[in-house]
Order: sequence, then structure tokens, then C-alpha cells
Amino acid sequence: KNQVEQSPQSLIILEGKNCTLQCNYTVSPFSNLRWYKQDTGRGPVSLTIMTFSENTKSNGRYTATLDADTKQSSLHITASQLSDSASYICVVSDRGSTLGRLYFGRGTQLTVWP
Amino acid sequence: EADIYQTPRYLVIGTGKKITLECSQTMGHDKMYWYQQDPGMELHLIHYSYGVNSTEKGDLSSESTVSRIRTEHFPLTLESARPSHTSQYLCASSDTAGSTEAFFGQGTRLTVV
Repeated sequence: KNQVEQSPQSLIILEGKNCTLQCNYTVSPFSNLRWYKQDTGRGPVSLTIMTFSENTKSNGRYTATLDADTKQSSLHITASQLSDSASYICVVSDRGSTLGRLYFGRGTQLTVWP
Repeated sequence: EADIYQTPRYLVIGTGKKITLECSQTMGHDKMYWYQQDPGMELHLIHYSYGVNSTEKGDLSSESTVSRIRTEHFPLTLESARPSHTSQYLCASSDTAGSTEAFFGQGTRLTVV
């Protein structure tokens, strides 16, 4: 069964600190993995997208890693800001169908305190 | 900034009413999707479309229906709203290329009383 599991479920950190969010998946055949940021009550916004051959991709203070062999990904946030408070969703796409199915994790709820 | 729009953003409506949630995109994307998301939970695919006149049911059973008469427009309709339909509904679109990202609308928060 194709699944995406994220940990931790929620995380509280102080402003300026770093944190790492985890994503494990069983989706096969794998096409790509994306990290989205979703503010409360709004639609998800893409942070990074990585294909099978990419190990690391950065977007400002966000750095995503992918290990396709162990089917694990992480999102590292550096020097956190209050505006980073949001849900971070790991999304994996398969390539076994025309649709390019998207499988969503439940997200990690990050809260940054001043 | 993604060019995909949903209206209304918030809707409170009585049981038994018919409602239509609007979704439009100006990117010329062929694929469009409707997701349902309860608070703190993952997104569940309820409908998708490959293009004009193409609509398919998603993973999560839904009493809603969709139509795709124009590329840019993918409305979702509930003929008779019930409290169990209370949720957030997110519309997304992507182009045909497999590795492209999906762009999401801001969502419609539906409350049926």
C-alpha cells in the first residue's frame, strides 16, 4: 500500500533555532517528492520538488534531502522565523499512472515561538 | 504566485441546500483536482480531471459532483449539503508533464449547519 508517513506530528521551537522534519514513504514506482508549506486555512505552497536522482535541494532557509534507496526525505529549516509556523506536508508522486498520483502525508505542525 | 482561485473562501450554509464551489486557473493546466481536508488530517483526493469533458472519482468517496466544460474551470457541486460535508475543500492543477508541481488554491472552508 502506498503511504507517506511524517514525523514528528507537531514541533515547537524557539525563533532562530534549526529543526528537521522527517518523511518516510512506500510509494512505488517513485516519481518525485515534494515538500509543501500550508498556513492555517490556506492552500499548500510548494517549497521543493526532487526527482529520483536528486539528493539535496535548497530553497532559501529550507533544505530538503532525499534518499531514494531507504525511501526517506527530510526538510531542514535553518534560523527559524515566526512566519515559519505552519504545517509542512510531504507529498510523493508515483509514475505508475497517467495521473501521476499524489500521496500526502498528514503533515508536521511547526510552531515557532519568539 | 500560482494563478488558481477558489471562491468562496468561507461558506456557512443550512442542511439541504445546493452549493457550488468554484475553482479557476489561468495557467492552461490540463489536470485539475479536488481534495478534502479535515483539520490536522491529510488531503484526500475526491475528484480529478485530465482535461475538458474528463472527470473521475478520487480515493475518498464523496457525494459531490464535478464538471469540466472549460479547461480553466472545475466547479464542485453538492446537491444537498449535510453537516458531514463540513470540511475544507482544496482545488489544485498541474500540467501534463509528470514531474511538475501541483498548484493549490486557497481553499474553501465549508460549514453545514
